[in-house]
This record gives sequence, C-alpha cells and structure tokens, in this order.
Amino acid sequence: GESVGLHLPTLSVQEGDNSIINCAYSNSASDYFIWYKQESGKGPQFIIDIRSNMDKRQGQRVTVLLNKTVKHLSLQIAATQPGDSAVYFCAENQAGTALIFGKGTTLSVSS
Amino acid sequence: EAGVAQSPRYKIIEKRQSVAFWCNPISGHATLYWYQQILGQGPKLLIQFQNNGVVDDSQLPKDRFSAERLKGVDSTLKIQPAKLEDSAVYLCASSLVEWTEQYFGPGTRLTVT
Repeated sequence: GESVGLHLPTLSVQEGDNSIINCAYSNSASDYFIWYKQESGKGPQFIIDIRSNMDKRQGQRVTVLLNKTVKHLSLQIAATQPGDSAVYFCAENQAGTALIFGKGTTLSVSS
Repeated sequence: EAGVAQSPRYKIIEKRQSVAFWCNPISGHATLYWYQQILGQGPKLLIQFQNNGVVDDSQLPKDRFSAERLKGVDSTLKIQPAKLEDSAVYLCASSLVEWTEQYFGPGTRLTVT
C-alpha cells in the first residue's frame, strides 16, 4: 500500500550545525504533511505542518519544504541543539483518511 | 492545559492473557485516536473515534482488539487474547477537529512474553 518513507535512518550532527531530514512519499493524492519529534519514552510531538498548496513553511528554528514534483518533504532545523536529539517522523494524509507515518530518522546532536 | 493522559505506562503479560489500556484526551477534543507503534517503526492507526462514534477501525484486528469511548471522553483499548506480536507501544492521541493537529499521550509499553 501507499506509505511514507525516510531516506536515512540516522543523522549525526554537531551542535550549532543546521540539520536536514528528508522524507519521500508515494501517494500523489496526499495533501497534508506533518513532522513529528519523538523523544525516548514519550509520544510524538507536533513540530510543523504544511498543506499541498504551499512549498515552504517556517516555524521557530524549523522550516519544512515540500516538492510535489518529486514527492519529497524535508525538515530543516537551524542551529541544532542537543535537545533536538530525537526520532523524527514525517506523516501524510489526504482529506478524510488516516495519517500515515514513515519509519523515522534518529537525529543525534553532539556538543 | 493538561495533555493526553494514559495508563498504565508499562505492562507485561503472558501470551493469551488479556490487557486493557486507558486514555483521557485533552478536554474538549472530539476526536480520539489509538495507534500501535512497534519498535523502530512509525505509529500505525488502530481506531479513530469522533465523540463516541467509530470513524475508522479498518486497521484494528477485531478478533482480539476492541475499543470503546462510551461517553465521548475517555477511552479504553483492550486486547484479548494477547499474542507475542502485540508487543508494542500503544499511543493515544486527540485533536479538536478530525485530522487537525494531534496531541499524543506518553503511551503504554506492552510486553507480551
């Protein structure tokens, strides 16, 4: 079935660097995309979302980019901090259907 | 604002036993979701409630899993009998409106031996 996947299972960066986490999705009908952060022992935490009528959306230290042509989603974290260490999931759906999560990328930030 | 509450946080049972999980969503959130998260994977939706009605239970193994939300507030998820492959974290989430930003609880880690 349709699913959302991530390019890399792990990403290691130095504190202060910018991080880019990528996600490829396969359902061209998806119109809503979300990035979640999950720390060990906790539930996923909403970071930022974007709808298919947008290419870019910015939050505090985070930017999500959507390229519908190649069905690619990315999360950029500026000035990565140790507290950003977690597993990051992208998720997608189309109106009225269940949210589908990818497998996750583990971000490790070293100081 | 209080978050989504779940209990217990951990549960260990033997296969063929039964287990129940409880969730109390954020006050005023009409939509409640139960997800199963197997180690190393993203959450997978099991069932979605809108108030006390089921919206989507297509991924719920109905021969052993059941869920209810009788008064449109808190919810329970039950597994009977449990199998080894049910070992996972069971997450509850809620949202104000269907398929808007979901707030997740801390989850219940189930180990079936």
